[in-house]
Amino acid sequence: DTEVTQTPKHLVMGMTNKKSLKCEQHMGHRAMYWYKQKAKKPPELMFVYSYEKLSINESVPSRFSPECPNSSLLNLHLHALQPEDSALYLCASSHIAASTDTQYFGPGTRLTVL
Amino acid sequence: GQQVMQIPQYQHVQEGEDFTTYCNSSTTLSNIQWYKQRPGGHPVFLIQLVKSGEVKKQKRLTFQFGEAKKNSSLHITATQTTDVGTYFCAGPNNSGYSTLTFGKGTMLLVSP
Repeated sequence: DTEVTQTPKHLVMGMTNKKSLKCEQHMGHRAMYWYKQKAKKPPELMFVYSYEKLSINESVPSRFSPECPNSSLLNLHLHALQPEDSALYLCASSHIAASTDTQYFGPGTRLTVL
Repeated sequence: GQQVMQIPQYQHVQEGEDFTTYCNSSTTLSNIQWYKQRPGGHPVFLIQLVKSGEVKKQKRLTFQFGEAKKNSSLHITATQTTDVGTYFCAGPNNSGYSTLTFGKGTMLLVSP
């Protein structure tokens, strides 16, 4: 199984809402990532978890809060987002957090903030 | 972080024509990866290059890593409509992080 799953596929939320994005992989990978991708732009790294510990936070605003409950699951909690946060949010995983490791991406959650 | 510059930003070809996208770095790369993202899809890993001067082929796709390990290219021979998508190169982030930085990507459109 080389699949990374993400839910929901689409999400529309108001600026006062609280919502969560979920990501799951069963490949035994110990590194998991959150990326943000705007239209016609490359994926932009937000967070990296290595062995369930947050190892990289790329200066992401605190309205985005990641969580790694176990080695297979990754969540991204959203609160008080802004319209400019509307984007495709991609989850990825790899064996370990190394630049030589292949990253497997999920299908993404397309988020619209009204 | 590591900057990998990718050109062209966009290319529109007729089916059957060849296509090449280039990735350049100002510093030596330990490795480079290539990903493809179809319209409405997510990035999918294509290949990784590690050795100086390395050339790898996948059917109609040829990947090269420069001798100085500062540039890479992806060449598609006789494009097909199924090749449509955005091709990203990704190199190591050199800010002490063991992860990737993606180039801006080349969007390929193939007309039948």
